[in-house]
Amino acid sequence: DSGVTQTPKHLITATGQRVTLRCSPRSGDLSVYWYQQSLDQGLQFLIQYYNGEERAKGNILERFSAQQFPDLHSELNLSSLELGDSALYFCASSVSAGVSDTQYFGPGTRLTVL
Amino acid sequence: AQTVTQSQPEMSVQEAETVTLSCTYDTSENNYYLFWYKQPPSRQMILVIRQEAYKQQNATENRFSVNFQKAAKSFSLKISDSQLGDTAMYFCAFMILSMDSNYQLIWGAGTKLIIKP
Repeated sequence: DSGVTQTPKHLITATGQRVTLRCSPRSGDLSVYWYQQSLDQGLQFLIQYYNGEERAKGNILERFSAQQFPDLHSELNLSSLELGDSALYFCASSVSAGVSDTQYFGPGTRLTVL
Repeated sequence: AQTVTQSQPEMSVQEAETVTLSCTYDTSENNYYLFWYKQPPSRQMILVIRQEAYKQQNATENRFSVNFQKAAKSFSLKISDSQLGDTAMYFCAFMILSMDSNYQLIWGAGTKLIIKP
């Protein structure tokens, strides 16, 4: 158990809908990262937050947004969902945002868009 | 471009054998960190081992060890006495300073490792 929690574990929804994925980082970690992993593919970095502020952006679509709250939990909002958004969404956390920071991953949220 | 290459899409070995997964990377940086993560069928992403580039000594975690060749930009993972539970997708990743001056993990495509009984 990495100490990172994600809810829900599974989510099934329809095209055009909006969903929110939630992540709680390990105790003491200030950075939260979101990744997308489509079937049989590697991880695509979406976005990073550090201590409540956006720190880095990867290949995140405009339909997607995220935020980190004062208690450091983070939410990833996916809107106008398309079939291609079906994927495993991981949250990871690290102590800070430096080169030596190891990222610890949550169990992921499996999103299925029908 | 800073990249990570895992040249073996899939490997399989017998239980108790030793297996080495290869990873090469490309960077002009001098200070960086390298990681191996495993993703078993449960799809959980689990840290296996990490290596600091400034350390010449290869990292070791129980049955897992790395062969880090900085000049060759190679970072292979050796699994000794392989076990059925080692069956997983293994990803090599590399922490770099991105263009927007933030540290970012760059991931390889993964190697699927199957341990046969």
